[in-house]
Amino acid sequence: DAGVIQSPRHEVTEMGQEVTLRCKPISGHDYLFWYRQTMMRGLELLIYFNNNVPIDDSGMPEDRFSAKMPNASFSTLKIQPSEPRDSAVYFCASSSTLQGDTQYFGPGTRLTVL
Amino acid sequence: SQQGEEDPQALSIQEGENATMNCSYKTSINNLQWYRQNSGRGLVHLILIRSNEREKHSGRLRVTLDTSKKSSSLLITASRAADTASYFCVPNSGGYQKVTFGIGTKLQVIP
Repeated sequence: DAGVIQSPRHEVTEMGQEVTLRCKPISGHDYLFWYRQTMMRGLELLIYFNNNVPIDDSGMPEDRFSAKMPNASFSTLKIQPSEPRDSAVYFCASSSTLQGDTQYFGPGTRLTVL
Repeated sequence: SQQGEEDPQALSIQEGENATMNCSYKTSINNLQWYRQNSGRGLVHLILIRSNEREKHSGRLRVTLDTSKKSSSLLITASRAADTASYFCVPNSGGYQKVTFGIGTKLQVIP
């Protein structure tokens, strides 16, 4: 398996623009997580899905952030409009109920908002 | 979910030495996991120890768990420069797949 795939790996955009981050989880995994990592706040869980359904989005910072999972093999995290304070590395991870609690992380998307 | 607290926050050792990191948590768990994050990369799962286990080995890694003290330790023997990374412990109480990460221990292995 190719592991969790994220795109793009790097994104530079200007304040006010819409940003869409993409994630393809490991095939067969039924949980998907979106995290944000910054030096100041460390690794924060933003939202997670189970069987494509959002379970807990309490970590989503504000209404500018939205996440979808239209099917088992694809998820997006959208920021509209983006702000400089959104600059961070965004990770997607997936896991399987059958394999216990281990999460498998993607390589991350480094977002810079100018 | 609960968050583990890693100690020390930073550790610097010479290559070949052993590195020990500690983790404390607050409530009872089903298992505890350790993850590693190399700079600029995603987290990688290292090892999982269940609540009924006291010690577990994987290659140069040794993990201990003391549920009475609500603590765990990760020992890396004969460290290498490639072990330079941040290490996170994740106590899992079960019921959900949601886990929470602390600030980790930043390990630097000097060649």
